[in-house]
Amino acid sequence: DGGITQSPKYLFRKEGQNVTLSCEQNLNHDAMYWYRQDPGQGLRLIYYSQIVNDFQKGDIAEGYSVSREKKESFPLTVTSAQKNPTAFYLCASSFPGQGGNQPQHFGDGTRLSIL
Amino acid sequence: EDQVTQSPEALRLQEGESSSLNCSYTVSGLRGLFWYRQDPGKGPEFLFTLYSAGEEKEKERLKATLTKKESFLHITAPKPEDSATYLCAVGATGKLIFGQGTTLQVKP
Repeated sequence: DGGITQSPKYLFRKEGQNVTLSCEQNLNHDAMYWYRQDPGQGLRLIYYSQIVNDFQKGDIAEGYSVSREKKESFPLTVTSAQKNPTAFYLCASSFPGQGGNQPQHFGDGTRLSIL
Repeated sequence: EDQVTQSPEALRLQEGESSSLNCSYTVSGLRGLFWYRQDPGKGPEFLFTLYSAGEEKEKERLKATLTKKESFLHITAPKPEDSATYLCAVGATGKLIFGQGTTLQVKP
């Protein structure tokens, strides 16, 4: 079955440590996205990529980095510069659209906590 | 500024008690309106896309409608398994803007 796989499901970060969240999709989607979800808040866009080797900052990119070397993969690194990283991180993918007219499909998330 | 507001924040229903969830939006040039269901600890599950005012989509006990300023998700005779958070998002300027969601609890 096609879908989006995020790993790990739970992740713990020590102070000053960078951690990388994995996102893999086999839906043949060109576009991929990373969101952060905090209690009581909507999903906030961190980074997105419409095509391999290209990506753009979203609304809250500070303290995060991404790469898009393969169509199927879009890993997110939470750096030590992100001072409040505790959140639920969601990866999504979609077919390319005209300004957001395509639905995005989501993985089951990674919950990141501070040790 | 593009904005999406969902109401109510939380809704409790008895099994079989029909109701509606609201999603109001302000966006310059709506590209699409999307409804998702999210269970605790899971990612959002895509339900519907609506593209133009007057459009309606149905799936089991759920029916989504769209006007020029808002969308409704009607739930007919809900069951306990319909309990979840329902998210609305609008497509604008190359990305989706999400509302904060409505958490629905259906009691048997």
